[in-house]
Parts: sequence; C-alpha cells; structure tokens
Amino acid sequence: SQTIHQWPATLVQPVGSPLSLECTVEGTSNPNLYWYRQAAGRGLQLLFYSVGIGQISSEVPQNLSASRPQDRQFILSSKKLLLSDSGFYLCAGIRGSSSGNTIYFGEGSWLTVV
Amino acid sequence: SQQGEEDPQALSIQEGENATMNCSYKTSINNLQWYRQNSGRGLVHLILIRSNEREKHSGRLRVTLDTSKKSSSLLITASRAADTASYFCATDEGSSYKLIFGSGTRLLVRP
Repeated sequence: SQTIHQWPATLVQPVGSPLSLECTVEGTSNPNLYWYRQAAGRGLQLLFYSVGIGQISSEVPQNLSASRPQDRQFILSSKKLLLSDSGFYLCAGIRGSSSGNTIYFGEGSWLTVV
Repeated sequence: SQQGEEDPQALSIQEGENATMNCSYKTSINNLQWYRQNSGRGLVHLILIRSNEREKHSGRLRVTLDTSKKSSSLLITASRAADTASYFCATDEGSSYKLIFGSGTRLLVRP
C-alpha cells in the first residue's frame, strides 16, 4: 500500500531563513503529489501539486516553491521564511479506485517561524 | 480556492448522541469525500460518495449528497469519545488531479 513519509516532523526557524521540507512516497510509481498547508484550527489550503517529475502547479502565489526531482520525491522550499509561513504542512498522494481518487496523507510537518 | 464549507464549525455532544455535519460546495463535482483529522496528525479518508449517488453508509457513518443544492451531510450515529476529531469534506471541482478541502468541523464527544 502507498505510504507517505515526511520530514522533519517539527521545525522552528527564524524569519528570513531558508526552508526545505521533504516528502517521499512508497508503494507506487508516478503518483500525483500534493503539498497542503493548515493554519492552526483551520482547513487545508492546497499549495502545490505535481503530476510527474519536474511538473509543478502552483495554486496560491506565495513565498514558497516546490520541486519534484524524482518520481517519488516532492520538496517544499522557501528562500526566506516569513512569520505567516508558520503552519502545519501536509504532503499527500492520490490513490485511485473504481469509485474515484482519494488522498492519503503523511503525518505532517509543524513549522514555526519566529 | 475554498470549495467546501463545513457547518457547524464546532460541535459538542454527549457520548451516544448522533453528530451531523454539513458541507456546501460551489462547482460541479465528480465525487465528494469526507476525511477525519485527529489533532496534529494527517487526515484519514472516511468515505467517498459519487455525484450520481444520494446516500452511502459505512459502519456508523452515513453520508448524503444533494447535487441540486450542492451540499452533503455526514452523520455519525451513536458517537463515542474516540470520534472526537476534526472532520473535513473535500471535492474535486470536476478535476481528477486535486482535492479542495473545506475549513472543517471540530467535533467533541463528551464521555
């Protein structure tokens, strides 16, 4: 079965510092991959999705970027973090079925920008 | 964009009672899904209902879909303290590539 691994699980970074969150997938090939952000007590905001190596779609203009250097690797980055970048970041993949596509998530990465 | 909007934002009930959460969306969809999130964790898929279905059951969960009103409801029967979590609806906006989540309902089941 497909599994998403994310790291680091928790991160405290100063304003202006760079960011790199990594996500890898096991158990499938050529997955659609997603980065979501969740502010405290709020819903999920889709940030980026990728349908293949080097293919990135951005949903919201922001201080973040994403890259897909390998089929099962999806990276979320920033050159200079802002306070507003704090939140819970979730990597996800799509699992297809006859009924429709469902999303499976990693355990998330907590980012606090101070 | 925020496709699904859940209502209420927060719900507190006694163990054994039923919990009903609603979701409204804006565009046409292929399917609508409900997810559960325990505090500080990733989301877990609960149930998917296709646009040509009106009702679906899974254990103590019952989901309805009204495409004419662009709304869905999730009913949890005979709630347990372990059902305490946030519940999100998600729609595909007619695309197979992405799911858009609502802001969620925080459910507290008091023992």
